[in-house]
Amino acid sequence: QSALTQPTSVSGSPGQSITISCTGTSSDVGGYNYVSWYQQHPGKAPKLMIYGVSNRPSGVSNRFSGSKSGNTASLTISGLQAEDEADYYCSSYTSSSRFSVFGGGTKLTVL
Amino acid sequence: QVQLVESGGGLVKPGGSLRLSCAASGFIFSDYYMNWIRQAPGKGLEWVSYISTTGSYTNYADSVKGRFTISRDNSKNSLYLQMNSLRAEDTAVYYCARDFDSNNSFDYWGQGTLVTVSS
Repeated sequence: QSALTQPTSVSGSPGQSITISCTGTSSDVGGYNYVSWYQQHPGKAPKLMIYGVSNRPSGVSNRFSGSKSGNTASLTISGLQAEDEADYYCSSYTSSSRFSVFGGGTKLTVL
Repeated sequence: QVQLVESGGGLVKPGGSLRLSCAASGFIFSDYYMNWIRQAPGKGLEWVSYISTTGSYTNYADSVKGRFTISRDNSKNSLYLQMNSLRAEDTAVYYCARDFDSNNSFDYWGQGTLVTVSS
């Protein structure tokens, strides 16, 4: 079960927008609309930010948005704020394990 | 409010066993798939196992298949993970997580319990 591919790190200044990519295969990201994104601050449990590729749970800021093209999903954060600095993980349903696979994680630094 | 509280972690020798528990409250436990997800120190998240609402269906990551067993007791609102033949690479914080749409969307997580496998 190979992990999904994410950039190790991204950075941006307050107010800017950034995008984090998550690349898989036709057996996971490309084959199903079951991609989710999680935010994790140090020492804390992950928090669901996006599910079903582009849906936001109640209470999540509309500065967070998700999309997918082919085998690559993306998380975009607009109007960067200091509190957005965290690790971000994508996850997808995968037919190879018949459930779930995570990306390696991306550290977002707000400059 | 939804709460998931893990327990049972600790230090165990290679080859040993441990049973993790996750106590759920604030929602109808029997309505949701449940999962165990782990995170090795300084590393990323790794899905470990899921169990269906009734316990009829389970699945495991290749890395733990044949060694770990997930189970649930809906009468006690509890989720379990029996871990046998533990290895150093099983050292991680183990989270229980609710899958709210049964499609890989983990909306509530516990605080995690640390399992350390070392001699």
